[in-house]
Amino acid sequence: SAVISQKPSRDICQRGTSLTIQCQVDSQVTMMFWYRQQPGQSLTLIATANQGSEATYESGFVIDKFPISRPNLTFSTLTVSNMSPEDSSIYLCSVDSVGGGNTQYFGPGTRLTVL
Amino acid sequence: SQQGEEDPQALSIQEGENATMNCSYKTSINNLQWYRQNSGRGLVHLILIRSNEREKHSGRLRVTLDTSKKSSSLLITASRAADTASYFCATDLKGAQKLVFGQGTRLTINP
Repeated sequence: SAVISQKPSRDICQRGTSLTIQCQVDSQVTMMFWYRQQPGQSLTLIATANQGSEATYESGFVIDKFPISRPNLTFSTLTVSNMSPEDSSIYLCSVDSVGGGNTQYFGPGTRLTVL
Repeated sequence: SQQGEEDPQALSIQEGENATMNCSYKTSINNLQWYRQNSGRGLVHLILIRSNEREKHSGRLRVTLDTSKKSSSLLITASRAADTASYFCATDLKGAQKLVFGQGTRLTINP
């Protein structure tokens, strides 16, 4: 299984600012995913990030608000731009397992609070 | 919209009892997976059942899948306090390289 770390683990930010979340994997992976989990809710996929190509965003999420970088096969960043209190959530990155079946390994999450 | 609907939304049982959670989905799937999340942290994969399988076991976990009813259940036997967590089903949709998560069941095991 892959070991995934995220930085920061939590942050409190002022509205109007931006935060970049880092996701590091201990092995090379093809697909990385970014999810948002609003308080008390399930996970919603923001985008899929493949190395060397533009991220694919889900309906309701746009690149200007959530720019994503994927510079290599072990690293990705998600930026939450021009934040508002509605962006307060846990942000999770995950990666596909080598074994297929689209089983995913998750990072510990970044808990974001926007004041 | 979310693919999976789970019930119950919350379940509280005594330690040692069995816990059953249900998941329904809407479209064709390659497989269905169950994940556990402890207190707002990352998710941990528990078990995967393929669309051509009907039942699968892993330790104290038993998963069933009924593709005709588009539903699945997760049974945790002989529950322990450490099983307290939120449980999510996730469907691997045909033709899509992504998972869609259900709303989750919050399970509390009382000592």
